[in-house]
Amino acid sequence: AQTVTQSQPEMSVQEAETVTLSCTYDTSESNYYLFWYKQPPSRQMILVIRQEAYKQQNATENRFSVNFQKAAKSFSLKISDSQLGDTAMYFCASEKTSYDKVIFGPGTSLSVIP
Amino acid sequence: ETGVTQSPTHLIKTRGQQVTLRCSSQSGHNTVSWYQQALGQGPQFIFQYYREEENGRGNFPPRFSGLQFPNYSSELNVNALELDDSALYLCASSPARGAYEQYFGPGTRLTVT
Repeated sequence: AQTVTQSQPEMSVQEAETVTLSCTYDTSESNYYLFWYKQPPSRQMILVIRQEAYKQQNATENRFSVNFQKAAKSFSLKISDSQLGDTAMYFCASEKTSYDKVIFGPGTSLSVIP
Repeated sequence: ETGVTQSPTHLIKTRGQQVTLRCSSQSGHNTVSWYQQALGQGPQFIFQYYREEENGRGNFPPRFSGLQFPNYSSELNVNALELDDSALYLCASSPARGAYEQYFGPGTRLTVT
């Protein structure tokens, strides 16, 4: 069965600093997608970044980047130059490329401190 | 371009009742997924519809059912409500099967008393 684990329930970071959120997953699939989602206090979920498992190159989106370690089944999110608007719950998720199920982790609550 | 919308925003139901939640997909999207998010937890995948057919289902009992209409809007129906059904229900639409490019709605907060 697919599982997604986020071992850091809460984290905080000073504004303008860098923070890394951890995610590990378990799947028997050879190809799949991995995602990081952000859910601000207003609750609308937003896609932050995604990674196709067959791609070795780590995905980047502006201040957000991932460290994808396929053998270790690890998918961490790095946020550079943290901003107050980055304060939110962050969820790691995985999906088989057969598209039949999406599994979310329990989330990490990130607070950016001025 | 209109985003994903959900109605109602909040509702309160009594145990044993039935409820219908609605979702309007983003324009051009033919896939909709429903998730249940209990307080303080990550979303749990309920099911996904692609072009009016169920495309995948999570570990939810049959009293959770859905529909997708020709205009790709969708309903989530829950029968015989239980206290544990209290949660935020999220709808997400995609331009193709799967979650690769899904956009979430604001959710419906359901409270079962």
